Amino acid sequence: GAVVSQHPSWVICKSGTSVKIECRSLDFQATTMFWYRQFPKQSLMLMATSNEGSKATYEQGVEKDKFLINHASLTLSTLTVTSAHPEDSSFYICSARRGVSSDTEAFFGQGTRLTVV
Amino acid sequence: GENVEQHPSTLSVQEGDSAVIKCTYSDSASNYFPWYKQELGKRPQLIIDIRSNVGEKKDQRIAVTLNKTAKHFSLHITETQPEDSAVYFCAASTGTASKLTFGTGTRLQVTL
Repeated sequence: GAVVSQHPSWVICKSGTSVKIECRSLDFQATTMFWYRQFPKQSLMLMATSNEGSKATYEQGVEKDKFLINHASLTLSTLTVTSAHPEDSSFYICSARRGVSSDTEAFFGQGTRLTVV
Repeated sequence: GENVEQHPSTLSVQEGDSAVIKCTYSDSASNYFPWYKQELGKRPQLIIDIRSNVGEKKDQRIAVTLNKTAKHFSLHITETQPEDSAVYFCAASTGTASKLTFGTGTRLQVTL
């Protein structure tokens, strides 16, 4: 199957600093990528849809100025958590689909565990 | 937007028994329904999926059924094994945005 790689797999940062997470599609081009957040023992909640060459689409309740998304190429999307606080500590996972159809398989990155201290 | 409900939240079965997890969705336009297995700290793994033009799909011990009229779909695992223990998520996908909406998850424990 297709491969989506996410980096870093874990990061610890100080409160008030920013953290960048990268998501790459290694063997296919992805015009759209998705960013999810997962708190312990909870489900994956979609944060935003990253669109190559245009602005991301954020889900209701997600602060776009806090979670900056850049999708500068067809194989790379980045999520930057700005001015991180302990409540931002979570598991962040990206996803991409080969093709644009809604009935194609989604491939997930390994996830990034962010801990803000 | 789409809303996916999943039951039960926890399920304990004995090894060799069957496990059934059920999901309902709200958007009749949803056309793709994957099931994922997630182990602690890891990415979701696709175990089976079904598209809206199919009512049932089977892959060895795993099967999924879809009832479009009732807007529900179910995961069936037969002859469960300890390595089936994990959290399982259903999801539904719709529209040009192609985003997946996940159910709340089911923690399956297979006991010896």
